[in-house]
Amino acid sequence: QQQVKQSPQSLIVQKGGISIINCAYENTAFDYFPWYQQFPGKGPALLIAIRPDVSEKKEGRFTISFNKSAKQFSLHIMDSQPGDSATYFCAATHNYGQNFVFGPGTRLSVLP
Amino acid sequence: EAQVTQNPRYLITVTGKKLTVTCSQNMNHEYMSWYRQDPGLGLRQIYYSMNVEVTDKGDVPEGYKVSRKEKRNFPLILESPSPNQTSLYFCASSRTGGEAAFFGQGTRLTVV
Repeated sequence: QQQVKQSPQSLIVQKGGISIINCAYENTAFDYFPWYQQFPGKGPALLIAIRPDVSEKKEGRFTISFNKSAKQFSLHIMDSQPGDSATYFCAATHNYGQNFVFGPGTRLSVLP
Repeated sequence: EAQVTQNPRYLITVTGKKLTVTCSQNMNHEYMSWYRQDPGLGLRQIYYSMNVEVTDKGDVPEGYKVSRKEKRNFPLILESPSPNQTSLYFCASSRTGGEAAFFGQGTRLTVV
């Protein structure tokens, strides 16, 4: 029930294309869904996050779409750039301070 | 500058030799947590702390100990390290458990 599933495991996109990464969860107590970007040799860095009271959140080229009934959320990267090449993790948690659960990650490569 | 600081960044040790990885944050965050990152498994939570003197197990606590004697510090202790604890470790902090976590730069531990 604590698991967060993430797909695809890896993704190759041409420069200027749209990158889409999907996540699904089981625990309906989760109320906060962040996405993290991690470059080699660095710690994860918060990219964008959403709470389940909205269905979409956009920050620049990054958009989270959230489907509460399906218990799914996704990250869309518009106009993907080579500098976006990194590993992306979705995560879920809730406000009781209990486990922060991560998906297994998606390695994105954006070709120039 | 707001940051989470881990030390050491790299550590090679022998089986059974007790070690401590330190973590310190300067954001007055209540919530701190430890993760290990392994290829194909993403990040898995080891322990978390909701506040001083309040700690709880994450998904993979076996072989690890933590303490939270003061708000800014959350050391990870391996009493008797084993080779299966070879991993990349991250410390993170949040204002509360339900919000985004700020991550340290990581500690790469090798147990031989």
